[in-house]
Amino acid sequence: AQSVTQLDSHVSVSEGTPVLLRCNYSSSYSPSLFWYVQHPNKGLQLLLKYTSAATLVKGINGFEAEFKKSETSFHLTKPSAHMSDAAEYFCVLKFTSGTYKYIFGTGTRLKVLA
Amino acid sequence: DVKVTQSSRYLVKRTGEKVFLECVQDMDHENMFWYRQDPGLGLRLIYFSYDVKMKEKGDIPEGYSVSREKKERFSLILESASTNQTSMYLCASTSRTSGSVDEQFFGPGTRLTVL
Repeated sequence: AQSVTQLDSHVSVSEGTPVLLRCNYSSSYSPSLFWYVQHPNKGLQLLLKYTSAATLVKGINGFEAEFKKSETSFHLTKPSAHMSDAAEYFCVLKFTSGTYKYIFGTGTRLKVLA
Repeated sequence: DVKVTQSSRYLVKRTGEKVFLECVQDMDHENMFWYRQDPGLGLRLIYFSYDVKMKEKGDIPEGYSVSREKKERFSLILESASTNQTSMYLCASTSRTSGSVDEQFFGPGTRLTVL
């Protein structure tokens, strides 16, 4: 069965330090993977998407993610956290063919300390 | 700038009331979705529509119905609201492009409280 696991429900970092948000997936097919960010009381905004063209994907606001098939991972990173990065982050898997079903992780809440 | 709008940001209803949540997208997308979001559970799909008047049940359709009479508009209906339907409701849309990776575009959400 296809699934997405976000390994940490909460992550705290100090401003200016690196961010690592972890995502593992399970899929029998070649997946499409996304990271979304949700600020309080807002909808979800796309950060980046994996399209199989390149394993290292760069997104908005300095975020990037690396697709590692051998580890079935798609971790989100940023070299230096900013206060405005405090939000909830969702890793999402979609099958690349057939159904339009998207599978969401349970989210990671990022806290950035001054 | 692409946009998905939802009719209300906050809504308070009483148990047993019929509730309509409206979603409109201006991107000419074929696919539209309704999710509910609850803490610790992520987003769960309620219903999905891939064309006008076409719909498919998602993972948690019980207690909900949907209507898609026009391509740009997708409505979620709670026939008789109950307290366990208190949640954040998110609408999304995607295009139906063969072979491409289609991200979803989300509305701002409706926070529904049922008393």
